[in-house]
Amino acid sequence: GDSVTQTEGLVTVTEGLPVKLNCTYQTTYLTIAFFWYVQYLNEAPQVLLKSSTDNKRTEHQGFHATLHKSSSSFHLQKSSAQLSDSALYYCALSPGYQNFYFGKGTSLTVIP
Amino acid sequence: DTTVKQNPRYKLARVGKPVNLICSQTMNHDTMYWYQKKPNQAPKLLLFYYDKILNREADTFEKFQSSRPNNSFCSLYIGSAGLEYSAMYLCASSRGTTNTGQLYFGEGSKLTVL
Repeated sequence: GDSVTQTEGLVTVTEGLPVKLNCTYQTTYLTIAFFWYVQYLNEAPQVLLKSSTDNKRTEHQGFHATLHKSSSSFHLQKSSAQLSDSALYYCALSPGYQNFYFGKGTSLTVIP
Repeated sequence: DTTVKQNPRYKLARVGKPVNLICSQTMNHDTMYWYQKKPNQAPKLLLFYYDKILNREADTFEKFQSSRPNNSFCSLYIGSAGLEYSAMYLCASSRGTTNTGQLYFGEGSKLTVL
């Protein structure tokens, strides 16, 4: 079946250092859309990045991710973490553009 | 206005009692979803409405009911709450199901069953 795996439940990084949140997926669909959602404390999850094109880098708010169908990955990266980036991050797969499957989420804490 | 609103934000219920959660959106989205989120677990899709058509996941088919009286509102109903229903319930909407559109989420309704 379709599934999404986020290997880290908790990530702590020092302000100004790079951060990478891992996300891999399984699906039999060739046509897929992929998303990163961010949920700040006491707020609704909101989309951060989305992509449906293989090997194309997508950027928003300093974060970037590239969908790699060859390795079934859509890792989220930022070159310099900010205190305001502390949040819960979900990656989500939309196989065949139908429904959405989420990972368990990664809680990112940025410390001074 | 791209907000999805959920009520109540917090709900305390007794085992065996019914629970009704409400969601509304003003974006004229044709699809509305309900997800269940428990700690350290991925949000789990319970059901979704595409227009007036209700689709329920097979493993939660009998546990949750829903209604959508109009395009803007969607409810999630639990007839008899059990301890296992304690979770955050997230409502979301999107424009259609067969597109690359994103989900717009509400802030969630936290249900605690005692």
